[in-house]
Amino acid sequence: EILMTQSPATLSVSPGERVTLSCRASQNVNSELAWYQQKPGQAPRLLIYGASSRATGIPARFSGRGSGTDYTLTISSLQSDDIGVYYCQQYNGWPPVFAFGPGTKVN
Amino acid sequence: QVQSVESGGGLVRPGKSLILSCAASGFIFGDHYMGWMRQSPGKGLEWVSYISGSGKDMFYADSLEGRFAIFRNNAKNSLFLQIESLRVEDTAVYYCVRAHAVNGYYAGFGDWGQGTLVTVSS
Repeated sequence: EILMTQSPATLSVSPGERVTLSCRASQNVNSELAWYQQKPGQAPRLLIYGASSRATGIPARFSGRGSGTDYTLTISSLQSDDIGVYYCQQYNGWPPVFAFGPGTKVN
Repeated sequence: QVQSVESGGGLVRPGKSLILSCAASGFIFGDHYMGWMRQSPGKGLEWVSYISGSGKDMFYADSLEGRFAIFRNNAKNSLFLQIESLRVEDTAVYYCVRAHAVNGYYAGFGDWGQGTLVTVSS
């Protein structure tokens, strides 16, 4: 079983700041990693897949990178609309087992 | 546009069963893997189940102990989740999700419904 951890748990930031969120897998997930944003009261939205590819319609200020067990999501200039919880999810392997991290809350 | 609308949630007694439904539109339903996620109040996301486009292959989170069954009706663009022997800890918002595919490979869950709340309580 692959376990996912995220840090920090909570992040307080100001508009315009650069924000970097971290995600770590308990074993190599071969860049088969996605990031989601969940705003209060809404369903999650896919931001990044394949560790670094932006999903359709996602602004360029969101970027992902990483490999092996360590991944990051960067928001280059935080906007007020970016407040929410960010989850990473691994999807390495077959049969599929999808594991989410506990999330990082961006205040 | 792509849309998934869940229904079937509500207040249920422990030990009872429930079937959740998801009505999908805006895409060729049978061409896509679909799944269910859940989120307990104030908690994180948990994968529940996943089904191939044809409905022949189903996958479940190990933690569910065989109480969940996913199935679909492609003729009616509908996805279902049957939950047996409901427990208090099954209380959650259940989301219907569509797999995002790139060059035929899974690449995240690209579309989520608004969710349906299941509350298990006596």
